[in-house]
Amino acid sequence: EAGVAQSPRYKIIEKRQSVAFWCNPISGHATLYWYQQILGQGPKLLIQFQNNGVVDDSQLPKDRFSAERLKGVDSTLKIQPAKLEDSAVYLCASSLDGGYGYTFGSGTRLTVV
Amino acid sequence: RKEVEQDPGPFNVPEGATVAFNCTYSNSASQSFFWYRQDCRKEPKLLMSVYSSGNEDGRFTAQLNRASQYISLLIRDSKLSDSATYLCAVITNSGYALNFGKGTSLLVTP
Repeated sequence: EAGVAQSPRYKIIEKRQSVAFWCNPISGHATLYWYQQILGQGPKLLIQFQNNGVVDDSQLPKDRFSAERLKGVDSTLKIQPAKLEDSAVYLCASSLDGGYGYTFGSGTRLTVV
Repeated sequence: RKEVEQDPGPFNVPEGATVAFNCTYSNSASQSFFWYRQDCRKEPKLLMSVYSSGNEDGRFTAQLNRASQYISLLIRDSKLSDSATYLCAVITNSGYALNFGKGTSLLVTP
């Protein structure tokens, strides 16, 4: 079974620039999550999709972050404009049956300079 | 107060030692509990689920205390390969999103 695919693996941008991350979940997984993991901290949920609808985006900084999941499969997360404090690893995860079936992608490491 | 709290460590232990990690959660309506392992620069991977009756997987034992709202992970006979960060995760709503603690760093030394 193919895992959760994310790209790019690494990205370095200057502050105030824009960046986008892509995630392809495991086939058949209806639920997709984006997490932000700052160095030394645990992953923090940014947004959760069920198919192509948003279940929870309460911790997404909506003034600069946006996410979409068209057709209920792939998802993109965008930051515009980026700030220094956005430097983190952005993890995508998908699940078939909630917490017992979570699979994480390998993440995108973002550095904002 | 954070929903899920862990002692960040680091825990430095010799090979063969027994080490225990605790995690507390603030929402009494929390439904499901997990321990994840995260190696340096890698994604989190599920180590084990935690049940009220406790569960064991080889050298690893997890316990849940709902009354006191904490979960624990015990690692017996530590191996060098156990060196990693251990993340406590809790599901507190019906949406099944995992809520993580900051993680506890473990270093097992020869």
